[in-house]
Amino acid sequence: GNSVTQMEGPVTLSEEAFLTINCTYTATGYPSLFWYVQYPGEGLQLLLKATKADDKGSNKGFEATYRKETTSFHLEKGSVQVSDSAVYFCALSDRTGNQFYFGTGTSLTVIP
Amino acid sequence: DTAVSQTPKYLVTQMGNDKSIKCEQNLGHDTMYWYKQDSKKFLKIMFSYNNKELIINETVPNRFSPKSPDKAHLNLHINSLELGDSAVYFCASSQVSQVGYTFGSGTRLTVV
Repeated sequence: GNSVTQMEGPVTLSEEAFLTINCTYTATGYPSLFWYVQYPGEGLQLLLKATKADDKGSNKGFEATYRKETTSFHLEKGSVQVSDSAVYFCALSDRTGNQFYFGTGTSLTVIP
Repeated sequence: DTAVSQTPKYLVTQMGNDKSIKCEQNLGHDTMYWYKQDSKKFLKIMFSYNNKELIINETVPNRFSPKSPDKAHLNLHINSLELGDSAVYFCASSQVSQVGYTFGSGTRLTVV
């Protein structure tokens, strides 16, 4: 079946630190991969996506590369800011297009 | 214009009551979803409708009943509310899942 596993939080970093949030997936076929971000009190927003192997999604300084060989889609940012404090969800969509599979979310807190 | 709008944003009610949450999307998407997010931020899909037709009906109590009068609306009715129903409920829509979902801002339901 399809599933997403992401690193447990919470993660606390100082401002300007490097961020990595690990995400691995299990899927039949060739899924599309996503990172969503949920700021406090808000809904989920699409942060970035990749639809095929070796694609790199990027947005707002965040990047993730679709690695088929390691079934991974790790989220990275070179220098985090306090405003990046949020919960980050890794997700995949299978080729039927009917359903997303979300990871459990990783809470990030960035301190000044 | 809000793309996916849910009402109400907050709902506090007593056990045993019946309540509804409304969702409307103005994106022209064919598919709409209801998700439940628990206190640990875990997202669980509840229902999915495609062009008013139910396509995903996960294992949720019969007390939860979705209604889709047209493809722009998906409402959630809950009978005989229980303490364990307290959560944040998110509506989402998509045209093709691989492009990504658009989420509403959520309805925080508190059952007392």
